[in-house]
Amino acid sequence: GAGVSQSPSNKVTEKGKDVELRCDPISGHTALYWYRQSLGQGLEFLIYFQGNSAPDKSGLPSDRFSAERTGGSVSTLTIQRTQQEDSAVYLCASSLATRGADTQYFGPGTRLTVL
Amino acid sequence: KQEVTQIPAALSVPEGENLVLNCSFTDSAIYNLQWFRQDPGKGLTSLLLIQSSQREQTSGRLNASLDKSSGRSTLYIAASQPGDSATYLCAVLMYSGGGADGLTFGKGTHLIIQP
Repeated sequence: GAGVSQSPSNKVTEKGKDVELRCDPISGHTALYWYRQSLGQGLEFLIYFQGNSAPDKSGLPSDRFSAERTGGSVSTLTIQRTQQEDSAVYLCASSLATRGADTQYFGPGTRLTVL
Repeated sequence: KQEVTQIPAALSVPEGENLVLNCSFTDSAIYNLQWFRQDPGKGLTSLLLIQSSQREQTSGRLNASLDKSSGRSTLYIAASQPGDSATYLCAVLMYSGGGADGLTFGKGTHLIIQP
C-alpha cells in the first residue's frame, strides 16, 4: 500500500514569508508525528497527533510554528514569518496506534530553504 | 532529558565483514527502541523495533539487542554488502509523563561498505 507522503518535496522561501507543509499518513494510522532534521541538530521531535488532537505542543521550536490535523488524516505544519534557522528537512511519520507500540513509518520529507 | 549516543560516528569496512553499531541512552525508562537506516536525500526506513520487555529482534542479516538496564543497544549486521551503505539511526521512545511522545534520536553512524 501507499506509504507516508509529504508535499512539497522542496520549498524555497524568503525570510519573513509563511510556509505550509503537508503530510498524508498511511491510511488507518491514528498517530502522526512531525520531526525536523537539520545539520547541526540532528533529528528532533516537534509534535504528535493522536487522531485530531495534539496532547503536547512543547516540542515546537517557537510560537511561529503550528500544526493541525483534520479528519484524523492529513496534517499541515505551518511556519509563520520564516527565519533562516528554520531551514531543515521536515519529516512526517505515522503509526498504527499511539504510544509507539507500533513502528513509525516516515515520509520522504520536505526540504525547506529560507533565503 | 533523554540523550542518545551512537558510536562510531562513521565506519568504513570491506564487503563481507560482520559489524556492530552501538547505541546508548541515558534514561532507561524507555517504551521501545527502533533502528532506522537513512539513505542520502531520503526519509527513514525502519529496520527493527524492540519493545522494552524484549531482549532482541532479528530480520534477515540484522540483529538488534537491547539491555535496558544498562542503557545500551547494538545493531549487528552480518555479511555486509555495499547496499548496506547508509546512515543508521537509533531512536528511543519514552514513557508518557506529560512530556513529548516522539522518538529521541542519536546522531547516527555513517556506514560505508567497500566493494
